[in-house]
Amino acid sequence: DQQVKQNSPSLSVQEGRISILNCDYTNSMFDYFLWYKKYPAEGPTFLISISSIKDKNEDGRFTVFLNKSAKHLSLHIVPSQPGDSAVYFCAASGGSGGSNYKLTFGKGTLLTVNP
Amino acid sequence: ETGVTQTPRHLVMGMTNKKSLKCEQHLGHNAMYWYKQSAKKPLELMFVYSLEERVENNSVPSRFSPECPNSSHLFLHLHTLQPEDSALYLCASSQDLGVTADTQYFGPGTRLTVL
Repeated sequence: DQQVKQNSPSLSVQEGRISILNCDYTNSMFDYFLWYKKYPAEGPTFLISISSIKDKNEDGRFTVFLNKSAKHLSLHIVPSQPGDSAVYFCAASGGSGGSNYKLTFGKGTLLTVNP
Repeated sequence: ETGVTQTPRHLVMGMTNKKSLKCEQHLGHNAMYWYKQSAKKPLELMFVYSLEERVENNSVPSRFSPECPNSSHLFLHLHTLQPEDSALYLCASSQDLGVTADTQYFGPGTRLTVL
């Protein structure tokens, strides 16, 4: 059973508009969340993270929001740029057993930003 | 070379072959990981090494055999694989296995096809 779900396989937005990528999780023990970005033929690269003690973390054009009661997080990109076109993976850690290095990933969302 | 490198980038092998995947990190990290990404599935953690000691074996079949001769190199030895083992195999490294999830840096992956 998937503990981290990205229910939208793909998302298409216009350049300059906001991109919102969503992620849901089921394990209430998760306490740290990350977003990775992946271009074709490259490995995932870390983008932004958030601890469960916060509800928002911002880094330039990227903001991650965490709603613990809903077990939901989202990544906002504004303004979106064509270079943002990639697959975005949501990941979580901190499940039972305290193995915080164990990341549980979603399946990813393909973002396409159209010029 | 910088970051995390993986060789080969593509590999086609028969079910009776023996091959090895190589990963090298140039970041001075102490922890290294193997992940598997099958089509339409999330990244799955296979093995974790910290300071050359294996700390995680995530119920991986014995036809996959990892080796970590030093903190910069990680190998995945493959033998008598099955067609369902065809996937993208990603290597990653992080500074340590910390209290919170250290950022993991990924290599570009090896695309493995088992005939």
